[in-house]
Amino acid sequence: EAQLLESGGGLVQPGGSLRLSCVASGFTFPFSSFAMMWVRQAPGKGPEWVAGISGGGSNSLYTDSVKGRFTVSRDNSKNTLYLQMTSLRVEDTGIYYCAKDPVWLVRDFGNWGQGTLFTVFS
Amino acid sequence: SYELTQPPSVSVSPGQTARITCSGDVLTTKYVYWYQQKSGQAPVLVIHQDTERPSGIPEKFSGSKTGTMATLTIRGAQVEDEADYYCFSKDRTGNQRVFGGGTKVTVL
Repeated sequence: EAQLLESGGGLVQPGGSLRLSCVASGFTFPFSSFAMMWVRQAPGKGPEWVAGISGGGSNSLYTDSVKGRFTVSRDNSKNTLYLQMTSLRVEDTGIYYCAKDPVWLVRDFGNWGQGTLFTVFS
Repeated sequence: SYELTQPPSVSVSPGQTARITCSGDVLTTKYVYWYQQKSGQAPVLVIHQDTERPSGIPEKFSGSKTGTMATLTIRGAQVEDEADYYCFSKDRTGNQRVFGGGTKVTVL
């Protein structure tokens, strides 16, 4: 069964940095076949799309509030997606999920990971 | 920034039909996706490409779209369908993705 497992959450002070990882397993096709995305969810709020990356890793997209601060990347040899976050703000706090970007798929959407939580506190 | 607008809440009695709308001015040219999120769980995709159900999603869930408004319909809603539902699509440029604000469905 396909799984996504996020890690790297924790407590960070404003202005700090953190790197999140998402390891994929059990995919029926190579991990590199799938565009991926990071989605975050602040406490008590709805999900917010943060960033996306193409299967090969050459194209990346970001929501406006994280441009210049966050970098999405992937290592397809390790079936791993990353989110490098710098200049962190209190409003970046939340659960961060990785998932396949559904807009490129007609099947095999898979499940999201259970997410990793980090808190930016002052 | 581009927004998708949903009603905050929808309430139905067990066995009735719940309808959740999502409006956005470029939905005429963009597919809509619907996610269900139950309390404490990750979102689950229930509709893709406006009207299609992913494998394993019950037939009670259906999607439609007319112009700039998409609708998720839950026929014969039961207590287990209580959740937050979010629409999802591309923005005007296609270079970003956006979630709607979410609709809380209550079955009582």
